Amino acid sequence: QVHVVQSGAEVRKPGSSVKVSCEVSGTTFRKYAVSWVRRAPDQGLEWMGGVVVGLSKVHHKQKFQGRLTITADESTTTAYMELSSLTSDDAAVYFCALGHYGSGLYLPLDYWGQGTLVTVSS
Amino acid sequence: DIQMIQSPSSLSASVGDKVTITCRANQSIATYLSWYQYKPGTAPKLLIFPASILKTGVPARFSGSGSGTDFTLTITSLQAEDYATYYCQQSYRFPPTFGRGTKVEI
Repeated sequence: QVHVVQSGAEVRKPGSSVKVSCEVSGTTFRKYAVSWVRRAPDQGLEWMGGVVVGLSKVHHKQKFQGRLTITADESTTTAYMELSSLTSDDAAVYFCALGHYGSGLYLPLDYWGQGTLVTVSS
Repeated sequence: DIQMIQSPSSLSASVGDKVTITCRANQSIATYLSWYQYKPGTAPKLLIFPASILKTGVPARFSGSGSGTDFTLTITSLQAEDYATYYCQQSYRFPPTFGRGTKVEI
């Protein structure tokens, strides 16, 4: 049974950074792509970026270029998402999710973490 | 980026009702369309991919249809546990994009 467990809620000041972890168990970590998706209050879901674990390949949505860092550690089967230069617009629930990658595409997300609430407040 | 337009943004329905949610892409995405169910405080759940194929364990009252630009999620005989927000998502072209969601309320 696949388990995806994220780190706990975070509170950050504007201008700072936040790093969220995502530990995967019960499956072969390296055969997946780990995506990061966020849901801001009263907003829809937004795909931010992902890492194709077995290829060590990272992709970002263009709007996050320069302030989003996504990594994956195969030894601990854990992925990380770090977002810098936080503003109030970054306050959201952040999810990691596993899917497959093929032909340059991130395919649908089969397994999700429980979400991590990030609050941005001075 | 491909835009996914969902309608309605919310709807009210009773247990036993038939519910239909539509999703339109601003360009053809073949059948690279997924539907997710989201309940606050829980992880989103993948219901359907591609377009009309139910994932294992999803009740048969859920169904999906469509191809190209127009898609539909139907719930026949709504159950209490189906009250949630439903999102469509395209994975035809990078980056993957979601609709803004449809909240199904009592």
